[in-house]
Amino acid sequence: QSVLTQPPSVSAAPGQKVTISCSGSSSNIGNNYVSWYQQLPGTAPKLLMYENNKRPSGIPDRFSGSKSGTSATLGITGLQTGDEADYYCGTWDSSLSAVFGGGTKLTVL
Amino acid sequence: QVQLQESGPGLVKPSETLSLTCTVSGGSITYYYLTWIRQSPGKGLEWIGHIYYSGSTNYNPSLESRVTISVETSKNQFSLELSSLTAADTAVYYCARGDYGWSGRYYYNMDVWGKGTTVTVSS
Repeated sequence: QSVLTQPPSVSAAPGQKVTISCSGSSSNIGNNYVSWYQQLPGTAPKLLMYENNKRPSGIPDRFSGSKSGTSATLGITGLQTGDEADYYCGTWDSSLSAVFGGGTKLTVL
Repeated sequence: QVQLQESGPGLVKPSETLSLTCTVSGGSITYYYLTWIRQSPGKGLEWIGHIYYSGSTNYNPSLESRVTISVETSKNQFSLELSSLTAADTAVYYCARGDYGWSGRYYYNMDVWGKGTTVTVSS
């Protein structure tokens, strides 16, 4: 059971928009920054978003992030088939460890 | 650019100790938190722990009794030891470079990852 809660799956058609939620508590998301990772099939995770809403170099602005209270959201607009992947949220926890969500599988129909 | 590469045995026996090494090339490990993460088959990511280049560590509380992470700055390498292995430790093990600190709130970003190495625990 993961410390952070994500929906197991989301889906949308190409060109559409999708959001992925990540729910935690005051011990983690509520008091710390959230990052997001994209894991394409058969590859290592890649940093997609950091400090809630900042994109590393090379990440298109179709990807956005936000945080409110103890929840965070990843948004993807203009969906492409290449966006099909597993997405994970992560943050620091008061247990002095990093924690992840269980992951959300994005299907582009 | 910075690259990380895991190395170690692909098959380990139950009750034994797993030893993995991560070699960092193309950059220094100074000022970074050197991190181990694992992913069991078909499952999500699990943070194992990290070590600062100076040697201070933090571990996942659920694994802390079995984990040791060490660093060898002269070789730009850091290592993972996980003892008393069971089948539940079968996973892909990743090393990553962590950027961790305080800026009003704690931030923790793993910005460079190795490709991962598959470890199977079986007799």
